[in-house]
Amino acid sequence: GQQVMQIPQYQHVQEGEDFTTYCNSSTTLSNIQWYKQRPGGHPVFLIQLVKSGEVKKQKRLTFQFGEAKKNSSLHITATQTTDVGTYFCMFSGGYNKLIFGAGTRLAVHP
Amino acid sequence: DVKVTQSSRYLVKRTGEKVFLECVQDMDHENMFWYRQDPGLGLRLIYFSYDVKMKEKGDIPEGYSVSREKKERFSLILESASTNQTSMYLCASIPRRGQGNTGELFFGEGSRLTVL
Repeated sequence: GQQVMQIPQYQHVQEGEDFTTYCNSSTTLSNIQWYKQRPGGHPVFLIQLVKSGEVKKQKRLTFQFGEAKKNSSLHITATQTTDVGTYFCMFSGGYNKLIFGAGTRLAVHP
Repeated sequence: DVKVTQSSRYLVKRTGEKVFLECVQDMDHENMFWYRQDPGLGLRLIYFSYDVKMKEKGDIPEGYSVSREKKERFSLILESASTNQTSMYLCASIPRRGQGNTGELFFGEGSRLTVL
């Protein structure tokens, strides 16, 4: 079935450093979403990308959807301790079938 | 605000017990999901329901069943709990959309189940 590979699994950064997580699919995606889960919390929706080559920004977060709609990235500029958590990508693999990446766990050292 | 409420944040049960995890959403969403989350494995879909009394198996349905008698409520049932079902269980809901335009998935706070 459809799968998405998300890398890296873990990332440790010093506060102020940048961070990027990637999701890659072998098939073309209709859209992709990104979620953040704080430690002890539940996943919370960040953004949805639909168009080929789309780039969206939310303050220090930049989201990209590849031209071929097979990959996506989330980049955080100048990380802060509030960015700690696990970031998931998710896409719709068909009607009502939602597929998550394994997640990237971000640790930020002050 | 959309709210997805799970009945218990923490449960401790014994092997062989029957376990009910309840989930209620207040936004009239057609689709509801049960996931389990384990370290290193991400979120894995157990079951989902796209309408009242309708259900479909996800990727890991073995050992679980579900019930959707009312639109707002989706229950996960462990008929005979086992230690390998110790996990975090997350309920989620989403309104019905056309294919390719999924919309935002709303999660409950999660239920952490420990089976001894």
